[in-house]
Amino acid sequence: DAEITQSPRHKITETGRQVTLACHQTWNHNNMFWYRQDLGHGLRLIHYSYGVQDTNKGEVSDGYSVSRSNTEDLPLTLESAASSQTSVYFCASSELRRGKLFFGEGSRLTVL
Amino acid sequence: AQSVSQHNHHVILSEAASLELGCNYSYGGTVNLFWYVQYPGQHLQLLLKYFSGDPLVKGIKGFEAEFIKSKFSFNLRKPSVQWSDTAEYFCAVNSGGGADGLTFGKGTHLIIQP
Repeated sequence: DAEITQSPRHKITETGRQVTLACHQTWNHNNMFWYRQDLGHGLRLIHYSYGVQDTNKGEVSDGYSVSRSNTEDLPLTLESAASSQTSVYFCASSELRRGKLFFGEGSRLTVL
Repeated sequence: AQSVSQHNHHVILSEAASLELGCNYSYGGTVNLFWYVQYPGQHLQLLLKYFSGDPLVKGIKGFEAEFIKSKFSFNLRKPSVQWSDTAEYFCAVNSGGGADGLTFGKGTHLIIQP
C-alpha cells in the first residue's frame, strides 16, 4: 500500500543545532506540505512544494527550509534550532493541489 | 489571506448526545472545505470534504457537514456521538484555485464521556 512516512518520530536536540526531518511518500504525489501543530494554533503551514525543484513558503516559514530533488521526498531542515520550534511536525501529500491530504504520523521535536 | 475560526476549543459531551462543531472561514471566493480528525496518538484523517454540489455532505463514521455560503460556515454534525469520537477536530479551507495549501482552524478538542 502507498504511504507517507516521517522520520525520526521523536527527536530531542539543542538550541543552535541543525535538524532535518525526513518525509517520504510512495503515492507519486506532486504536492507535498509541511505543517507544525501547536496548542492553541492548530496546524500552520511551513513550506510546500508542487513538484520537483519547486518550493514555496507558507505561513510560518522563518527558520525552516525545504528542498525537493525528487517526487518522493521533502525533507524539512531547521538550520539553527530554537526553543520556539519545539512542536509536532506533520508532512502531507496530495494528488491534486486542492485535494485530499494524506498525512504522515508526525515528528515530535523538542529543542532544549 | 484566508482564515478559519472554530468557535469551540473544548467540548465535553455524554455518549448519545448530538454534536455540532462550528467552523467559519473568511475567504469570499470559491472554496474547498474539509474536516479532519486526529484521534489520540494518531495522525490526521479526512472526515469529509466539500468541493461543489449538494451543500450537505456526509463523511465517515456518521459525520456530516453543511456548507452555508451566506454564513461562510461549514459546521460539523453528528446526531449521536460515541466514546470513540473523542479526538481533535480540525476545519480547513483552501481557495478554489488551490494555491498555498490548506488553512486550518485551531482545532476543537472533543471529549465524550461514557
